[in-house]
Amino acid sequence: DVKVTQSSRYLVKRTGEKVFLECVQDMDHENMFWYRQDPGLGLRLIYFSYDVKMKEKGDIPEGYSVSREKKERFSLILESASTNQTSMYLCASSPTELEAFFGQGTRLTVV
Amino acid sequence: GQQVMQIPQYQHVQEGEDFTTYCNSSTTLSNIQWYKQRPGGHPVFLIQLVKSGEVKKQKRLTFQFGEAKKNSSLHITATQTTDVGTYFCAGRTSGTYKYIFGTGTRLKVLA
Repeated sequence: DVKVTQSSRYLVKRTGEKVFLECVQDMDHENMFWYRQDPGLGLRLIYFSYDVKMKEKGDIPEGYSVSREKKERFSLILESASTNQTSMYLCASSPTELEAFFGQGTRLTVV
Repeated sequence: GQQVMQIPQYQHVQEGEDFTTYCNSSTTLSNIQWYKQRPGGHPVFLIQLVKSGEVKKQKRLTFQFGEAKKNSSLHITATQTTDVGTYFCAGRTSGTYKYIFGTGTRLKVLA
């Protein structure tokens, strides 16, 4: 079974903190994605990566950066957390053009 | 940019009634995927459609891809309480690795 593991299920951080969300997949997938999910807005793509050290902006990259130094790991970084970044963050991985496998999600609260 | 809209946003049905959710893209899609997210869970892949006019069935679920490859639908016949959740479509345009998710349709089934 494909496994996508996100480092934390719940996180509470203070405004202005630098926050790291980690995601690891065990199936050697080329593509990895970070989404945020908010009520009524569905899943919005923040960043994705199609290879090691390769990344592309999604629809809402402002305030975020990413890192993919190894194929299995894709990190999302909030440079300076703000309250409007309180959300559910979902990581996914997929082989090219095929189904995406999602992690359990990280519910981040910024206070 | 590319937008994917889903209607309705919410649907309550009596158990045994049928249910349909519609997905519309602002641009022609290369392929479309459907996901189901149970309450408290993460999105799980259901199916992928690639060909114009394609129809696929999974037990009580019927998926269609429009002739122009800009819209899609998911129809559930005789809903059951296990169908509860949010259904998302996700479309990809050619030349890109990324999928844009629709806003989702939240289904409640009343026993």
